[in-house]
Amino acid sequence: SAVISQKPSRDICQRGTSLTIQCQVDSQVTMMFWYRQQPGQSLTLIATANQGSEATYESGFVIDKFPISRPNLTFSTLTVSNMSPEDSSIYLCSVTGTGLYGYTFGSGTRLTVV
Amino acid sequence: AQTVTQSQPEMSVQEAETVTLSCTYDTSESDYYLFWYKQPPSRQMILVIRQEAYKQQNATENRFSVNFQKAAKSFSLKISDSQLGDAAMYFCAYRSGTSGTYKYIFGTGTRLKVLA
Repeated sequence: SAVISQKPSRDICQRGTSLTIQCQVDSQVTMMFWYRQQPGQSLTLIATANQGSEATYESGFVIDKFPISRPNLTFSTLTVSNMSPEDSSIYLCSVTGTGLYGYTFGSGTRLTVV
Repeated sequence: AQTVTQSQPEMSVQEAETVTLSCTYDTSESDYYLFWYKQPPSRQMILVIRQEAYKQQNATENRFSVNFQKAAKSFSLKISDSQLGDAAMYFCAYRSGTSGTYKYIFGTGTRLKVLA
């Protein structure tokens, strides 16, 4: 399965600022996924990032707040814009194999907004 | 829409004992995949075990096994000979078998404590 390097592992940010999270995969993948895990909660899909096209956002998530880049088949970034304390969460990127193969996740970014 | 329910927010087990984590799901699809993921304090999500809906045989991976009851839409995880390293959040997840569908539906998780 793929190996994903996610950076930063954690950050503390001031409200109103933006943070960009990077994910690097050790193999080419068509689709990458960004999840949010709010404190004590389950994982919620933010968007699917496809190389060469705009990301597809889930209900409740918008591009202005969570812009995503996917410049090639091994890399993606998620930006959390104009942050507020409600954005304090763990953000995870992931890729998936086909069929029975589950997601492989990055190690997550713990974001705290103060 | 599919849903995944984990009714046990927290479970405890003595080291070397066996524990079962519950998961139920709702779907109208006949082809799908089910997964259990482990998330230790390091935050890394680790795939524990997976099951194809059309396979009757329950999946087994070393000390981890599932009890898959398709008619009841139940997918419980059994951990045998529990070890301290098993302490983590465990998430049950559903994925449609429809070609081109990659979105996973996660349950709310069960926190497992292993007591020495």
